[in-house]
Amino acid sequence: NAGVTQTPKFRILKIGQSMTLQCTQDMNHNYMYWYRQDPGMGLKLIYYSVGAGITDKGEVPNGYNVSRSTTEDFPLRLELAAPSQTSVYFCASSTYREVSNQPQHFGDGTRLSIL
Amino acid sequence: GNSVTQMEGPVTLSEEAFLTINCTYTATGYPSLFWYVQYPGEGLQLLLKATKADDKGSNKGFEATYRKETTSFHLEKGSVQVSDSAVYFCALMKAAGNKLTFGGGTRVLVKP
Repeated sequence: NAGVTQTPKFRILKIGQSMTLQCTQDMNHNYMYWYRQDPGMGLKLIYYSVGAGITDKGEVPNGYNVSRSTTEDFPLRLELAAPSQTSVYFCASSTYREVSNQPQHFGDGTRLSIL
Repeated sequence: GNSVTQMEGPVTLSEEAFLTINCTYTATGYPSLFWYVQYPGEGLQLLLKATKADDKGSNKGFEATYRKETTSFHLEKGSVQVSDSAVYFCALMKAAGNKLTFGGGTRVLVKP
């Protein structure tokens, strides 16, 4: 059971380059999320999606874009990489229930360095 | 807005010691509360949860009770092992979008 799969696991970018972080889940979850985790800090929500074709901003969306064309995939794009985007990025997914107690399932993360 | 505050680490303990990690929250209404654990080099895993006041979540010897009156959800374990060394995150969830708000995390190091 794969769960949430993120690729790549590590990446080094130069300032101004662009890249896409891939995330796919095989649990048929409606909800998907992107977080960043800075050293010694908690996770901050970048973007989230409640279903295919629907995305919305989280707490720290600037410098990122997302799309959700299928239930399974939720890629995160950095258009012009900046040193401030050096972080570990986590993708997560959860199922929908009327009550807000469904846990999120996390991928293993992508460690991104911008030099 | 919603927020979660947890004690700063690192917390260093000897094996078989008692562990408490304090967590308090600010939110309107009745959020669901979670503890996640992150082992070195891995993503977050759900440790336990509670969805209403006085609920007790438990898993792998860890426990936490949802205290509405003190807006707290402290994590406890009676006898820790070296394998419990990890970063622990307290989080809350409100209904809209099932979004989680995380605390800053507490690193726990258990020495043999």
